[in-house]
Amino acid sequence: GENVEQHPSTLSVQEGDSAVIKCTYSDSASNYFPWYKQELGKRPQLIIDIRSNVGEKKDQRIAVTLNKTAKHFSLHITETQPEDSAVYFCAASRGTSYDKVIFGPGTSLSVIP
Amino acid sequence: EAQVTQNPRYLITVTGKKLTVTCSQNMNHEYMSWYRQDPGLGLRQIYYSMNVEVTDKGDVPEGYKVSRKEKRNFPLILESPSPNQTSLYFCASTPLPGLKETQYFGPGTRLLVL
Repeated sequence: GENVEQHPSTLSVQEGDSAVIKCTYSDSASNYFPWYKQELGKRPQLIIDIRSNVGEKKDQRIAVTLNKTAKHFSLHITETQPEDSAVYFCAASRGTSYDKVIFGPGTSLSVIP
Repeated sequence: EAQVTQNPRYLITVTGKKLTVTCSQNMNHEYMSWYRQDPGLGLRQIYYSMNVEVTDKGDVPEGYKVSRKEKRNFPLILESPSPNQTSLYFCASTPLPGLKETQYFGPGTRLLVL
């Protein structure tokens, strides 16, 4: 079946450094790729998303890149801050509607002050 | 306030005792979904619904049922719970594509099946 792989599973960075999380998906029909942040004990929240018709999207310190040929997409966080510490999930889905959504297993990011 | 609510938030039950976790949203969203979250496995979709009376299986539907009789409600039913259904469950809703597609998650329901 379809799956989404995510690496690394844990990531520690110094405050101010950049963090990169990478995902690979198997379903070539996927064309919507959201990223979620989940702080400890809280619900997931969408932080950025990208569609297959663009290669990159940026929102302040967060950016997502997509390589549809290689079926890779990545989250980039620059100038990390302690409040960026959380678990980050990537996901992939088909079509223009949400349909079935496949999540990656998550990356636990720790930003060390 | 726009929100997704789930009840109960915490539940301890025994194997085989039917239970229902309710989910309700007040945003008139068409799409609703249930996920379970387990350590190291991330979020796995159980069932989703594109609209009233339209439901479909996600990645891990075995042992679960859902219904969508009203737009705002999407209950998750465990007819005969087993210990491997011990998990953290999230309900989520989103409007149809073409609008803001943020998926709003409920606060979660932590279920322990003994």
